[in-house]
Amino acid sequence: GQNIDQPTEMTATEGAIVQINCTYQTSGFNGLFWYQQHAGEAPTFLSYNVLDGLEEKGRFSSFLSRSKGYSYLLLKELQMKDSASYLCAVSDGDYKLSFGAGTTVTVRA
Amino acid sequence: GAVVSQHPSWVICKSGTSVKIECRSLDFQATTMFWYRQFPKQSLMLMATSNEGSKATYEQGVEKDKFLINHASLTLSTLTVTSAHPEDSSFYICSASVGDTEAFFGQGTRLTVV
Repeated sequence: GQNIDQPTEMTATEGAIVQINCTYQTSGFNGLFWYQQHAGEAPTFLSYNVLDGLEEKGRFSSFLSRSKGYSYLLLKELQMKDSASYLCAVSDGDYKLSFGAGTTVTVRA
Repeated sequence: GAVVSQHPSWVICKSGTSVKIECRSLDFQATTMFWYRQFPKQSLMLMATSNEGSKATYEQGVEKDKFLINHASLTLSTLTVTSAHPEDSSFYICSASVGDTEAFFGQGTRLTVV
């Protein structure tokens, strides 16, 4: 089975940095995804990591350590529109994704 | 990026009736699509894998006779919720993959059974 853990909620101030951690234990591994989901909407793709290291994409960066079963999503220069749920998902091959419960990020002025 | 279109965006139906949800890949061919369900404040749960030209593969605990999946072409998969009950009210989302590195999601369908 799959076990993917991430914090339930995080709060940060506009302009600050927030790091969302994700740990996983899965039967197979074919990459780790981060998605952003606003309430009532479908998830939108943020990042994909399959090799160890940091992937930077604008204000968002994602890190992966396969040996530790660990990833984080780093959000810099937070904006109010970044308030959303952030989902960590692991692909076990065949493109099937197992999702964590999601981390609700609230950005305060 | 690739576009996956899901229809309808929301639907309200009476208990006991059936509802069909369509998922289309607009600018690419998808031999495999996935159907997820999401209850309020919970994460996405994979219901089934839809394979073009063959039977869908259902996850444990998902009733295949209740959630009928048809993947008739490389660009269309449908999910039919049969004999819907209020507990089936949820957010249903489909996805399709392009290569290994990205899964694209449809807009989702909010189903309310009254």
